[in-house]
Amino acid sequence: GAGVSQSPSNKVTEKGKDVELRCDPISGHTALYWYRQSLGQGLEFLIYFQGNSAPDKSGLPSDRFSAERTGGSVSTLTIQRTQQEDSAVYLCASSLSRMSSGYTFGSGTRLTVV
Amino acid sequence: RKEVEQDPGPFNVPEGATVAFNCTYSNSASQSFFWYRQDCRKEPKLLMSVYSSGNEDGRFTAQLNRASQYISLLIRDSKLSDSATYLCVVNIQQAGTALIFGKGTTLSVSS
Repeated sequence: GAGVSQSPSNKVTEKGKDVELRCDPISGHTALYWYRQSLGQGLEFLIYFQGNSAPDKSGLPSDRFSAERTGGSVSTLTIQRTQQEDSAVYLCASSLSRMSSGYTFGSGTRLTVV
Repeated sequence: RKEVEQDPGPFNVPEGATVAFNCTYSNSASQSFFWYRQDCRKEPKLLMSVYSSGNEDGRFTAQLNRASQYISLLIRDSKLSDSATYLCVVNIQQAGTALIFGKGTTLSVSS
């Protein structure tokens, strides 16, 4: 597609439930990133995929968080046993390569854990 | 010490004013630098890259001082539409490192 597509745009879930967030990057972009932004806070790096290389998971806050990228394209971020502190906007971005300056962000998924 | 630090503001300026934002970064291995703009409840968008020689794009001028590990953004002749949060971003070019974002500086331009 023309841009980075994320779904759902909004998600309200009960504490303890699992959620899956989806990101469809720009076609041809080999690098894909997940960030999250809590209210009034900066962007927090979560995980990074580059081609077929092992992902950089150094930003994942706990083992409840995981992500995969199938076929080098679509990525899903899974949060298990959600907690209220997981409430945030989850942003996905893609770029041609890690060295590219042009990160294009999706419009994000606003997750609310009640 | 945070990796990228910015004055959160807000900066409240009238239309037509010149305003400057500063940013410092802690890792001397940082290689690439950018300014992103984020509107309220929207995703960040690349405003401009920052080069060692300094660069200008219309009313916007970005400068880098590697010795002081300092980046600046100057906006001349501010418009109402410039109201947004401006994010300072650095890239430490090691394997697998993604962009590191500052928390942003909020600008409000009023008529």
